[in-house]
Amino acid sequence: AQSVTQLGSHVSVSEGALVLLRCNYSSSVPPYLFWYVQYPNQGLQLLLKYTTGATLVKGINGFEAEFKKSETSFHLTKPSAHMSDAAEYFCAVSAGSSASKIIFGSGTRLSIRP
Amino acid sequence: DTGVSQNPRHKITKRGQNVTFRCDPISEHNRLYWYRQTLGQGPEFLTYFQNEAQLEKSRLLSDRFSAERPKGSFSTLEIQRTEQGDSAMYLCASSLGGTQTEAFFGQGTRLTVV
Repeated sequence: AQSVTQLGSHVSVSEGALVLLRCNYSSSVPPYLFWYVQYPNQGLQLLLKYTTGATLVKGINGFEAEFKKSETSFHLTKPSAHMSDAAEYFCAVSAGSSASKIIFGSGTRLSIRP
Repeated sequence: DTGVSQNPRHKITKRGQNVTFRCDPISEHNRLYWYRQTLGQGPEFLTYFQNEAQLEKSRLLSDRFSAERPKGSFSTLEIQRTEQGDSAMYLCASSLGGTQTEAFFGQGTRLTVV
């Protein structure tokens, strides 16, 4: 079975500062990993995904994440926060090539201070 | 391609009534997922389909919930004898399947049970 733990339900950073949102996963098979963003009153939008190959993946809006198998982590980063990054972020996992259901974490709300 | 479409966007119903939601996935996507999301939480997996076959249903899901995907195109989610605890956002998502497992989400149907 797969599961996801997002550390920190709320993260606040200053505009221009580094954004780091933490995600740890559990999976009995090689996982596929995802980060989604949800802006207020909008649907979920895919930021980036890891399936196989390069462990550092780049996504939209300047975000990137690194798959670290030894740490079972898939943390999301952005070098410089922008006010428009304020949103809810969800990490998700599926059971790799068997392509099963996608399981989501509880989310991290990112706030940006001017 | 207009993306995943969900109807209605909002539904208010009295406790004990039955409700049905519809999801139209992206046309070439053979996987379709239903999730439930409450305030401050991540999407909770309900069920998913591969074409017309329902592959898995959450064990947490009451027997009052049923989903169908006739002909492998649109899907319906029915809740019978609604309870106040059913109040939530119901999300539908679709994906191509195979290695392209990222799910594309609709805007959701917000259910309020009064």
